[in-house]
Amino acid sequence: KNEVEQSPQNLTAQEGEFITINCSYSVGISALHWLQQHPGGGIVSLFMLSSGKKKHGRLIATINIQEKHSSLHITASHPRDSAVYICAVLTGTASKLTFGTGTRLQVTL
Amino acid sequence: DTEVTQTPKHLVMGMTNKKSLKCEQHMGHRAMYWYKQKAKKPPELMFVYSYEKLSINESVPSRFSPECPNSSLLNLHLHALQPEDSALYLCASSQGVLERYTFGSGTRLTVV
Repeated sequence: KNEVEQSPQNLTAQEGEFITINCSYSVGISALHWLQQHPGGGIVSLFMLSSGKKKHGRLIATINIQEKHSSLHITASHPRDSAVYICAVLTGTASKLTFGTGTRLQVTL
Repeated sequence: DTEVTQTPKHLVMGMTNKKSLKCEQHMGHRAMYWYKQKAKKPPELMFVYSYEKLSINESVPSRFSPECPNSSLLNLHLHALQPEDSALYLCASSQGVLERYTFGSGTRLTVV
């Protein structure tokens, strides 16, 4: 079992829909990252969380440390949101991210 | 400048070649990372440099040799690679361990 599990693995939505991607982890963490990777390969850091909730534009990320769970929400989804969304956790004092397997999101018109 | 720049974007090399990947950032970040990513898989950590010193080597084969000549530059020297080393090589940087990462767009390496 992976230390970081994401669901769903694949998600198709229509433009305008509200989207939720979930991340559960089984280890103690010091921080959790949400990343976005487009087909060309480049990765964009969306959020880094250690508690609570963060919002940036149409994106919202929440984390519940007690339940070892985080969610990434996209409001009013758009085709340009189509990408792979990756949850990654930072454990202990090591400078090492443990990655989830990603959620492939396709937003259609 | 808020970017991590990787060059080249694409590289095809033979198994006997020696080549280098370059990564540069001018954000004053003190930690720099090399990741390897195979198709449809998450990135795998290879090396971490902190304050220009190698702090983590994830048991990477010696045919990959990292170098950090200064705080802005990170190289990955490649020698005698195998076809299974073909992958996207991503560089990232962060101000510190508990800071957001900035990723480069990667070098897509093909070993023939």
